[in-house]
Amino acid sequence: GESVGLHLPTLSVQEGDNSIINCAYSNSASDYFIWYKQESGKGPQFIIDIRSNMDKRQGQRVTVLLNKTVKHLSLQIAATQPGDSAVYFCADPLTGPETSGSRLTFGEGTQLTVNP
Amino acid sequence: GAGVSQSPSNKVTEKGKDVELRCDPISGHTALYWYRQRLGQGLEFLIYFQGNSAPDKSGLPSDRFSAERTGESVSTLTIQRTQQEDSAVYLCASSLDGRARVEQFFGPGTRLTVL
Repeated sequence: GESVGLHLPTLSVQEGDNSIINCAYSNSASDYFIWYKQESGKGPQFIIDIRSNMDKRQGQRVTVLLNKTVKHLSLQIAATQPGDSAVYFCADPLTGPETSGSRLTFGEGTQLTVNP
Repeated sequence: GAGVSQSPSNKVTEKGKDVELRCDPISGHTALYWYRQRLGQGLEFLIYFQGNSAPDKSGLPSDRFSAERTGESVSTLTIQRTQQEDSAVYLCASSLDGRARVEQFFGPGTRLTVL
């Protein structure tokens, strides 16, 4: 079936380095993606989103890149800080009939660890 | 409140018991979702409520699972005759409405452990 998943389960970086977290998707009809951050013991928190008519979108210290040709997303975090340590998910809102809402389809996530 | 709240934060129960999990969405949010997150995995959709419409229950894994929502307020997720495989974090999210590009705000979750 359709899926959204990540390449690596863990990523360890030094404080101050840039981090890159990757995600692959299989549904070529997907037109909108969201990155979530989940800290230990908390619910996922929205970071940034991107529509399929864009290749790149920037936020505060984060950039998302979308390559529709190979169905690949990446989240880049600049100058990674200890507070960035968390699990990062890419998600694809599955929108079907109105009664279905926009259920999010998540992959397993990448655990980012920032070493001081 | 300022965000989505859930209670209890942790629940330990014995196999075969019933449990009830509660979600208080953000005031004014008409859409409410329940998800399940098994250890080390992504979120699995369970059920969706939108206003007074009939809920979308297509993600509920078995008839032991049910959920209710009173209008546009509190929701409860009930698991009857719990099994060990029900152990997971149950997350609730709410949004202004159910459209795709409307942000879902998550609660902290209820960690359920079935012994």
